[in-house]
Amino acid sequence: AQSVAQPEDQVNVAEGNPLTVKCTYSVSGNPYLFWYVQYPNRGLQFLLKYITGDNLVKGSYGFEAEFNKSQTSFHLKKPSALVSDSALYFCAVSGGSNSGYALNFGKGTSLLVTP
Amino acid sequence: DAGVIQSPRHEVTEMGQEVTLRCKPISGHNSLFWYRQTMMRGLELLIYFNNNVPIDDSGMPEDRFSAKMPNASFSTLKIQPSEPRDSAVYFCASTPRGTGGLGEQYFGPGTRLTVT
Repeated sequence: AQSVAQPEDQVNVAEGNPLTVKCTYSVSGNPYLFWYVQYPNRGLQFLLKYITGDNLVKGSYGFEAEFNKSQTSFHLKKPSALVSDSALYFCAVSGGSNSGYALNFGKGTSLLVTP
Repeated sequence: DAGVIQSPRHEVTEMGQEVTLRCKPISGHNSLFWYRQTMMRGLELLIYFNNNVPIDDSGMPEDRFSAKMPNASFSTLKIQPSEPRDSAVYFCASTPRGTGGLGEQYFGPGTRLTVT
């Protein structure tokens, strides 16, 4: 079985500062990792994914994430936060064909960017 | 493209009533997922279909829940009878054909269900 953990319920950052939202994973076999964002009263939107290749993955809205196999982590980062980045962020993992490609989501981390 | 369409957007019903949630995936997508989101349990996968066939329904809470996908453009999630603990936001998502199941999931706007 695969799972992800998001250790922080909330992250507070001042606008213009770098942000990091943490995620660690547990999966047997190769991990397929995703980040999604949810704005209030909306469905989730895809940000980026790691399947294979370069450990640094770039995604939408200036976000990027670094896959670290030794630390089993996939932290989401952005060099300079915007107030409009305030939202709920979900990390997710798929075990691939072993699990029929179903995604398991973390509990989510609420990001608050203050002006 | 209209995106994933869900109806109704809001549903308020009394305990014991039957509830049917509907989803129209994006045309050309061949995998469809039903999720439930609550404050307590977060986002849970209920069931997903590939090419209209249910692949994994282990997330369906109990026999009161059932899901169907009669064709590539329509799916339903039914709760009968409904209970207050079923109150949640239910999301439908689909992924494009040819992405090998690891493609971006496109989420609908959700149905907010309240069972009184």
